[in-house]
Amino acid sequence: TQLLEQSPQFLSIQEGENLTVYCNSSSVFSSLQWYRQEPGEGPVLLVTVVTGGEVKKLKRLTFQFGDARKDSSLHITAAQPGDTGLYLCAGGGGYGGSQGNLIFGKGTKLSVKP
Amino acid sequence: AAGVIQSPRHLIKEKRETATLKCYPIPRHDTVYWYQQGPGQDPQFLISFYEKMQSDKGSIPDRFSAQQFSDYHSELNMSSLELGDSALYFCASSLGPPIEREKETQYFGPGTRLLVL
Repeated sequence: TQLLEQSPQFLSIQEGENLTVYCNSSSVFSSLQWYRQEPGEGPVLLVTVVTGGEVKKLKRLTFQFGDARKDSSLHITAAQPGDTGLYLCAGGGGYGGSQGNLIFGKGTKLSVKP
Repeated sequence: AAGVIQSPRHLIKEKRETATLKCYPIPRHDTVYWYQQGPGQDPQFLISFYEKMQSDKGSIPDRFSAQQFSDYHSELNMSSLELGDSALYFCASSLGPPIEREKETQYFGPGTRLLVL
């Protein structure tokens, strides 16, 4: 059973459309991190959210941490082909006795067609 | 800005051989994490170190060991390699002990691609 459920797993949209990726869990995380990963490369950090209800914006990307710190969402406005990639959410700290290691979702593979 | 450095980037080994992967964290980062990512899989936590002491252990096989040195770099030693060990191995570093929420952000290196033949 995946501790962090990420959806959708695949998403193919046209340039200019909006999209939302969800990351849900029954566990509380002390922080949640969003990464973008290109094939064969390391995950690149997009944002860290630590406070319940927190909203962070990164240009056309909006990240939200749920009030109970169990879920998060990534919303992309007016998607562009350059947004194509694998988006990973990862929960950190304080669950099940583990202190610092990240638990990853399965990822969302986004394809934005011109 | 300086990032996490991993070496080698690519490694090919035969079954039953040994391998050593190295990780140099971002300057001033004192916590190092190792992850394994199989093809099409999400990264799985192996082991972590804070201030040269093991701080957490995940799904690391007994054939693997790791340590963190006085300069905070870390090495993952893998023995009796098996075909199933073929994967991307990532090192990540963070600032501060893993129980401080503000410092939990982990920055990943480019990874070492290990192929066991």
